[in-house]
Amino acid sequence: DTGVSQNPRHKITKRGQNVTFRCDPISEHNRLYWYRQTLGQGPEFLTYFQNEAQLEKSRLLSDRFSAERPKGSFSTLEIQRTEQGDSAMYLCASSRRDGLLLDEQFFGPGTRLTVL
Amino acid sequence: SQQGEEDPQALSIQEGENATMNCSYKTSINNLQWYRQNSGRGLVHLILIRSNEREKHSGRLRVTLDTSKKSSSLLITASRAADTASYFCATDANTGGFKTIFGAGTRLFVKA
Repeated sequence: DTGVSQNPRHKITKRGQNVTFRCDPISEHNRLYWYRQTLGQGPEFLTYFQNEAQLEKSRLLSDRFSAERPKGSFSTLEIQRTEQGDSAMYLCASSRRDGLLLDEQFFGPGTRLTVL
Repeated sequence: SQQGEEDPQALSIQEGENATMNCSYKTSINNLQWYRQNSGRGLVHLILIRSNEREKHSGRLRVTLDTSKKSSSLLITASRAADTASYFCATDANTGGFKTIFGAGTRLFVKA
């Protein structure tokens, strides 16, 4: 399977705990995005990487959220001191263009986080 | 608030009928995309239309873009039960960055 993969697929945690999610993009894709989606809503942009550089980060992202893409390949999203409001589906997507315009993004299956 | 807003929020049609969904956005864009999300599955890219294009086709899909009205429509012809899904429009914010903004989606139900 050469699509975008995400692990774990499901995560249940207690409030206050830290969680980390991993995304493996399609191998030749240099762009990587993280989104959050809640029930009945569209994906909400969190952050964007081009290769290893984090070029854009939503103002909605609190200091408890951090993302890395250390070698320009896989990426991790960490949430510290989780709150019940963090419960959502976390989606990763990748794309391959080098130009300035956005293009087709390939999405992973997501990680569903439940904070108790 | 989100850049894209779809209309209607929900649509129920019979198999074989056409389905039209609309998307409105607020600021100028470089491109607009439509995605589909089946229940419990990931998002799948359907079609991308650039700001200098007015219409684009892909199989049973037809997308139009009216930049003067800041709106787009997605037409699915001869719908099938398998088209049952949520459909989202997504735009870039044309701010020089790479933020993609999705609307809340139209939930389409095609009855067999």
